[in-house]
Amino acid sequence: QQNVQQSPESLIVPEGARTSLNCTFSDSASQYFWWYRQHSGKAPKALMSIFSNGEKEEGRFTIHLNKASLHFSLHIRDSQPSDSALYLCAVSGGSALGRLHFGAGTQLIVIP
Amino acid sequence: ETAVFQTPNYHVTQVGNEVSFNCKQTLGHDTMYWYKQDSKKLLKIMFSYNNKQLIVNETVPRRFSPQSSDKAHLNLRIKSVEPEDSAVYLCASSYGNANTEVFFGKGTRLTVV
Repeated sequence: QQNVQQSPESLIVPEGARTSLNCTFSDSASQYFWWYRQHSGKAPKALMSIFSNGEKEEGRFTIHLNKASLHFSLHIRDSQPSDSALYLCAVSGGSALGRLHFGAGTQLIVIP
Repeated sequence: ETAVFQTPNYHVTQVGNEVSFNCKQTLGHDTMYWYKQDSKKLLKIMFSYNNKQLIVNETVPRRFSPQSSDKAHLNLRIKSVEPEDSAVYLCASSYGNANTEVFFGKGTRLTVV
């Protein structure tokens, strides 16, 4: 059974800071790794995904994956107040097929 | 832009009542899901449907039953609700492959009093 853990639970950073969110998973057969973002009262929406070891950058956001360490992370450069949201990491593939298994989330607050 | 539509947005009911939630997706996906988001914001998958057929029931109590009339609709019925059923229920859809994005609705917040 997949176990996905996120850290930290919550994070408060000043505007312009670099923010790092972490996610570990237990099933080494997992294939696809996602970060979803959920603003308060809104639907979760996919932010970024990575499917092979290494790094992927999209604008201010970078995702790192290390399958051997069962770990991936999201880094936000120049954090903005609009980045304030619940960040959910998720894993799919392997025995889970297309189903997403989520971590419990990191609540990020960016203070102007 | 929302393409997974859920109704109602909120529902308050008493213990023991039956409730039904509706979900429709306009993305042309063939796989739909129900997720439960608890008070700690943890999202857990409940059901997976592919083209009207149940694929997975993730150890959900039998009082929960999904209902699908076609691949664009997946409703959720809860018979005899209990206090621990209070949560946000999120409907989602995708093309079913593990490497494709899952799209979520805004959710139905259920409060059981």
